[in-house]
Amino acid sequence: EAGVAQSPRYKIIEKRQSVAFWCNPISGHATLYWYQQILGQGPKLLIQFQNNGVVDDSQLPKDRFSAERLKGVDSTLKIQPAKLEDSAVYLCASSLDRENEAFFGQGTRLTVV
Amino acid sequence: TQLLEQSPQFLSIQEGENLTVYCNSSSVFSSLQWYRQEPGEGPVLLVTVVTGGEVKKLKRLTFQFGDARKDSSLHITAAQPGDTGLYLCAGRYSGGGADGLTFGKGTHLIIQP
Repeated sequence: EAGVAQSPRYKIIEKRQSVAFWCNPISGHATLYWYQQILGQGPKLLIQFQNNGVVDDSQLPKDRFSAERLKGVDSTLKIQPAKLEDSAVYLCASSLDRENEAFFGQGTRLTVV
Repeated sequence: TQLLEQSPQFLSIQEGENLTVYCNSSSVFSSLQWYRQEPGEGPVLLVTVVTGGEVKKLKRLTFQFGDARKDSSLHITAAQPGDTGLYLCAGRYSGGGADGLTFGKGTHLIIQP
């Protein structure tokens, strides 16, 4: 069974530029999560989708971050404009449903210079 | 906001020794998961505990969920260098519409040969 796929693996941008990350969850998984993991810390939930609807985006900095999952499968996370403090690993995870175990992708390491 | 405290934050021990790491919260979680994360990779699920007092074993790893479902421990017997990594506990809080995993900051474990 294929796991959660994310791209790109690495991205370096200058502050005030924009960037987008892509996630393809495990087939059949209704729930998709985006997490931000700053170096040395645990992952922090940014947004949770159930199919193509948003369940929780309370910790998403909505002035600069946006995410969508239009067809209830793939998802994109965008940052515009990026700040230095956005440097982190962005992890995508999916689960069969909201109460099931979450499986993570390898993440996208973003460096903002 | 539900907080998970993990201790110790860092642990370096010799191969063959035993160790225990802890995860504590002021909130009751419907389930708690332990993950292991290696550098450059996403977290990999080790175990899920659901019932208060539950004990699960995975080879040399023993996981326990507290009776009140507010705390958990991970015990490793005869640690091996391959056990080195970041151990994360994550709780799923079922309240309202939000039930994404809340992560602790993790325990950085180094097993020296």
